[in-house]
Amino acid sequence: QVQLVQSGAEVKKPGSSVKVSCQASGGSFGSHFISWVRQAPGQGLVWLGWIHPIFGTTHYAQQFQGRVTITTDDSTRTIKMELSSLGLEDTAVYYCARDAVGGTMGRGAFDIWGQGTLLRVSS
Amino acid sequence: SSELTQDPAVSVTLGQTVSITCQGDSLRSHSVNWFQQKPGQAPVLVLYGRNDRPSGIPDRFSGSSSGNTASLTITGAQAEDEADYYCNSRDNSRDSSVYHVIFGGGTKLTVL
Repeated sequence: QVQLVQSGAEVKKPGSSVKVSCQASGGSFGSHFISWVRQAPGQGLVWLGWIHPIFGTTHYAQQFQGRVTITTDDSTRTIKMELSSLGLEDTAVYYCARDAVGGTMGRGAFDIWGQGTLLRVSS
Repeated sequence: SSELTQDPAVSVTLGQTVSITCQGDSLRSHSVNWFQQKPGQAPVLVLYGRNDRPSGIPDRFSGSSSGNTASLTITGAQAEDEADYYCNSRDNSRDSSVYHVIFGGGTKLTVL
């Protein structure tokens, strides 16, 4: 059973960028879309965007357009999410998550989640 | 872009049945997925698609959907079901050939 292993916690200054990685352990991403979802302290889940690991096609939530970039590195079986122009409101736990059903269209049914990466934005 | 609406909090007596609802226009075109999240943990998928349960999810979890409303029903709620529950679905972007994902605001379930 594949597991998603994320990089460690980050502390960043406002205006900077952060890159969080998600590696497939015990398998590969296959043809399952991989999404990034974040959760601010005490708040709900927010979807940032997704990528197809094989085709490399991406789509981002409108509210993050221009600030988020999701890329895939086949050689290391790693997917990375970069978020730029950080503000205090970007403080959150960031999760990568795999769509349960592979294919050419994501469904949002995230059956495997990474352990989460805490990003703290502080001056 | 549409949104999904959930009641902020619901309570149920141990062993009784409870339903958590999710409303939004996207549900008229796309199926709903349900997640359970306990404090300090990543969410867990409990239902997806046409009422499918991932392996390991008890059959006391079931779902239904009609029009713009979907429901997650727990029949015989257990103490371990106390958690936050989130719905999500796909939604059409302005470029209708591309989808994005929207989440409901979450429902905190208390088992009394």
